[in-house]
Amino acid sequence: EVQLVQSGAEVKKPGESLKISCKGSGYSFTSYWIGWVRQMPGKGLEWMGIIYPGDSDTRYSPSFQGQVTISADKSISTAYLQWSSLKASDTAMYYCARRIQVWPYYFDYWGQGTLVTVSS
Amino acid sequence: DIQMTQSPSSLSASVGDRVTITCRASQSISSYLNWYQQKPGKAPKVLIYAASSLQSGVPSRFSGSGSGTDFTLTISSLQPEDFATYYCQQSYSTPRYSFGQGTKLEIK
Repeated sequence: EVQLVQSGAEVKKPGESLKISCKGSGYSFTSYWIGWVRQMPGKGLEWMGIIYPGDSDTRYSPSFQGQVTISADKSISTAYLQWSSLKASDTAMYYCARRIQVWPYYFDYWGQGTLVTVSS
Repeated sequence: DIQMTQSPSSLSASVGDRVTITCRASQSISSYLNWYQQKPGKAPKVLIYAASSLQSGVPSRFSGSGSGTDFTLTISSLQPEDFATYYCQQSYSTPRYSFGQGTKLEIK
């Protein structure tokens, strides 16, 4: 069974760093792109970026380039999303999702989400 | 970047109604259009991919159509479990998979 299991909720202060994770199982982790999606409270879905764990090829939405870092450790089938200095506006639910290998490139499995709260 | 615009933003309907949600792309995306359903507190779930293909396990009352810039998601007979928020997403401009702003479907 394909699963993406994300790390637990986080409460942080502005300026702190954070790394959240997404562990894949039940499939070949290195063969599928993993994307990250932000959902701010009461708002819609925003595409952040995507990584191919096989070679760590990473692409970012222009809106998130330079704001976050996406990485992966294929030895433990885990993708990451990290911030070096959090802002209150980073408060949101973050989802990881697996992209199918071929056209039309939709996202077939999703993690359960990680809630990040940034507050002083 | 390709902008995706959904209409309406919200919709009230009754069980048994036929409902249509529209998604428009800012440029042609061929059939690279996918629809997701999200219920409160849950991750999105794919319903339709490639504009009109039904994801395995999704009820046949859901259907999609369109190509180019204009797309629709139709629910033929609303069921209580269909009240949720629906998002379109383009996968033409990889890897910038932009979403529409969402359509919240509420019970009338």
